[in-house]
Amino acid sequence: LAKTTQPISMDSYEGQEVNITCSHNNIATNDYITWYQQFPSQGPRFIIQGYKTKVTNEVASLFIPADRKSSTLSLPRVSLSDTAVYYCLVGVNYGGATNKLIFGTGTLLAVQP
Amino acid sequence: SQTIHQWPATLVQPVGSPLSLECTVEGTSNPNLYWYRQAAGRGLQLLFYSVGIGQISSEVPQNLSASRPQDRQFILSSKKLLLSDSGFYLCAWARDRDSPLHFGNGTRLTVT
Repeated sequence: LAKTTQPISMDSYEGQEVNITCSHNNIATNDYITWYQQFPSQGPRFIIQGYKTKVTNEVASLFIPADRKSSTLSLPRVSLSDTAVYYCLVGVNYGGATNKLIFGTGTLLAVQP
Repeated sequence: SQTIHQWPATLVQPVGSPLSLECTVEGTSNPNLYWYRQAAGRGLQLLFYSVGIGQISSEVPQNLSASRPQDRQFILSSKKLLLSDSGFYLCAWARDRDSPLHFGNGTRLTVT
């Protein structure tokens, strides 16, 4: 089964750019890469999704190298409210050959003033 | 726009009692629906998913069951709760297998 590896935690300060990298060496040809944000006692919230190269939306950018074996979520100018757990997921929602979107423990980002 | 509702927000139940958690989605038709569980300090575990009315797939064998009586309604049930059933239960929907998941606000279940 495909597996994703992320740092358990990261620290940053307000106003800095934060990059969280996820490794997914066994990504399958049809797999998308999706990132979610979760605050305590809330459901995860979709941030960004990509397949290859670079994707940007109003809150983040996602960088995917040509081999797709890793991806990097970039959060520009973080604020205290960005303190949360960030999950990297690879695969399809169900029935995939690699995984069925099993959420790991994610990366706890702590933003300091 | 689409919205997802889960209730109740919190629930305390004794061991051996039944369980029924309900989830409804508005603003879309024929969504894929999911039940996840998150134990304290851990990642989310997929329990069930459904691609249509009456179609349920189970990912983890346990004493829980799911049903989809209507297109946008997903119910998680148990006949007899165990202490190990305590956790944060999340319902989610997606347009298809490649689309992002959209989660409800969850139900915090404590089995005593």
